[in-house]
Amino acid sequence: NAGVTQTPKFRILKIGQSMTLQCTQDMNHNYMYWYRQDPGMGLKLIYYSVGAGITDKGEVPNGYNVSRSTTEDFPLRLELAAPSQTSVYFCASSYSKPGRDGETQYFGPGTRLLVL
Amino acid sequence: QKEVEQDPGPLSVPEGAIVSLNCTYSNSAFQYFMWYRQYSRKGPELLMYTYSSGNKEDGRFTAQVDKSSKYISLFIRDSQPSDSATYLCAMSVPGGSYIPTFGRGTSLIVHP
Repeated sequence: NAGVTQTPKFRILKIGQSMTLQCTQDMNHNYMYWYRQDPGMGLKLIYYSVGAGITDKGEVPNGYNVSRSTTEDFPLRLELAAPSQTSVYFCASSYSKPGRDGETQYFGPGTRLLVL
Repeated sequence: QKEVEQDPGPLSVPEGAIVSLNCTYSNSAFQYFMWYRQYSRKGPELLMYTYSSGNKEDGRFTAQVDKSSKYISLFIRDSQPSDSATYLCAMSVPGGSYIPTFGRGTSLIVHP
């Protein structure tokens, strides 16, 4: 299993441009998540999904959109990029609710985004 | 007050030292407590998990939860340079709001 894969690894965007961060998992997990991590800060939840066709907002959803048309894929769309969106973005997945019975979230390697 | 507080460090220790990493929290409904390790330029990976109060040991790592003080700790014995990483605590509420809340992470440097 490749686990959780993310593309691209690194991207520079100009202000106002758009892009899609790709996330794929091959573990047949129902739950998927997008986080952003700013330097010295913890992980802030952007959006999450409990299954194909179901998405919900997290703590910091403004400026982002998601879709979940398949179990495997959970792309994150940035429209009209702003410097405040400069961050490292992590996608994660879990089979069921994390924490319960030791269920863990599996994280991808991250996408580093710089908006200039 | 943030729900989960964690000192970002960095914490620098010599090889072989006992390391203590800590988080405090304000939400008494948290029941699941996790520690993630994150190497530089990598995603976090689960290191330890505990439910409710008590201790859990796994090799050189011990996770401790004190619910009365709303305080959790991760101890690393005989620390190694390979333990150099950022350690994030995370905790969640059983039932409805199950999404973990993460601390800021503590950067640990173990020097030879």
